Amino acid sequence: EAGVVQSPRYKIIEKKQPVAFWCNPISGHNTLYWYLQNLGQGPELLIRYENEEAVDDSQLPKDRFSAERLKGVDSTLKIQPAELGDSAVYLCASSLRHSSYNEQFFGPGTRLTVL
Amino acid sequence: DAKTTQPNSMESNEEEPVHLPCNHSTISGTDYIHWYRQLPSQGPEYVIHGLTSNVNNRMASLAIAEDRKSSTLILHRATLRDAAVYYCILAGANSKLTFGKGITLSVRP
Repeated sequence: EAGVVQSPRYKIIEKKQPVAFWCNPISGHNTLYWYLQNLGQGPELLIRYENEEAVDDSQLPKDRFSAERLKGVDSTLKIQPAELGDSAVYLCASSLRHSSYNEQFFGPGTRLTVL
Repeated sequence: DAKTTQPNSMESNEEEPVHLPCNHSTISGTDYIHWYRQLPSQGPEYVIHGLTSNVNNRMASLAIAEDRKSSTLILHRATLRDAAVYYCILAGANSKLTFGKGITLSVRP
């Protein structure tokens, strides 16, 4: 079974440029998550999708971040414009459904460096 | 969300058992205890979870205290590939996984 796929794995951009990350979750998983992980810290949730609906985006900085999950499968996370402080690893995860006993499956992440 | 407390780091020897402790004194009755681990340059990986009873799977065992205020992840025979950051997380009513800094496990050959 294929795991969560993310691309690109690495991205280097200059500040004020836009950037987008793509995620393909495990087939059949209704719930998709985007996390942000700063160096030396645990992942922090940015947004959660149930199918194509964003049901928890309270931690997403909406002035520059946006996300979409068209047709309830793949998802894209965008930053425009990027700032130096956005340098981090962006992780995508999926689960069958969102519950306290379901495991989440994580992708390898996209490491963003903003110069 | 109820919080967990873990030591910053732990060292173990290869092929010996490892006990990773976690305190969660404010756990509520419906909180599940989850453990994830993160190897270098990879995303977190699910290890095990439980509610009240001890749990075993192919990766590890989870021992949960009777009062549920603490738990221990047990790796029965550490290998070099087990060197990672291990996160102890409580998943409650909102089912969110709130990661802390975790415990960094080093395995000596």
